[in-house]
Amino acid sequence: AQRVTQPEKLLSVFKGAPVELKCNYSYSGSPELFWYVQYSRQRLQLLLRHISRESIKGFTADLNKGETSFHLKKPFAQEEDSAMYYCALSGGIQGAQKLVFGQGTRLTINP
Amino acid sequence: DGGITQSPKYLFRKEGQNVTLSCEQNLNHDAMYWYRQDPGQGLRLIYYSQIVNDFQKGDIAEGYSVSREKKESFPLTVTSAQKNPTAFYLCASSKRQRRNYGYTFGSGTRLTVV
Repeated sequence: AQRVTQPEKLLSVFKGAPVELKCNYSYSGSPELFWYVQYSRQRLQLLLRHISRESIKGFTADLNKGETSFHLKKPFAQEEDSAMYYCALSGGIQGAQKLVFGQGTRLTINP
Repeated sequence: DGGITQSPKYLFRKEGQNVTLSCEQNLNHDAMYWYRQDPGQGLRLIYYSQIVNDFQKGDIAEGYSVSREKKESFPLTVTSAQKNPTAFYLCASSKRQRRNYGYTFGSGTRLTVV
């Protein structure tokens, strides 16, 4: 079974501090991992995906297959990073299009 | 301007009534999905469709029904059998490819049972 766990419902850090949002997954095959973000009054949107190995808005995430994790990191938080963040997993040929989401982490950046 | 349109934004339903939520996309995406978003539970998959005239149940399909008669449209009906329908409903679409390149989401419909 595919499962995504985000252990922190709420995370609060000060502006300029490093941020790490945790994501652990359970999947026996080769997963595709994603981070989605939902800013206040905006649609849920894709932030980044592990296959692209990209950095978006200063955020990066590395897939660690040994620890089955895909934590989202940013070295210096900005106030505009305050949002709801969801980690998601897609896996297998049959489930290549289905996304399983974690419970989400609400990130608040304090001035 | 391409995208996904969900309507209405807000919907109120009396107990015992069926209601239909609309989802239309002009992105030429083959696959469409319905998720339910509840606080603290993330997004849970209700139904999905990878091609016209075909759809599959997700994790929480009971009390819901869908149809996919056109590529652009994937309406969701919340039936009276759904025990706890008050929630925020999100529709999404994606290209049908071997790898998942991510979804495009609509702006959502908030359903309240009164």
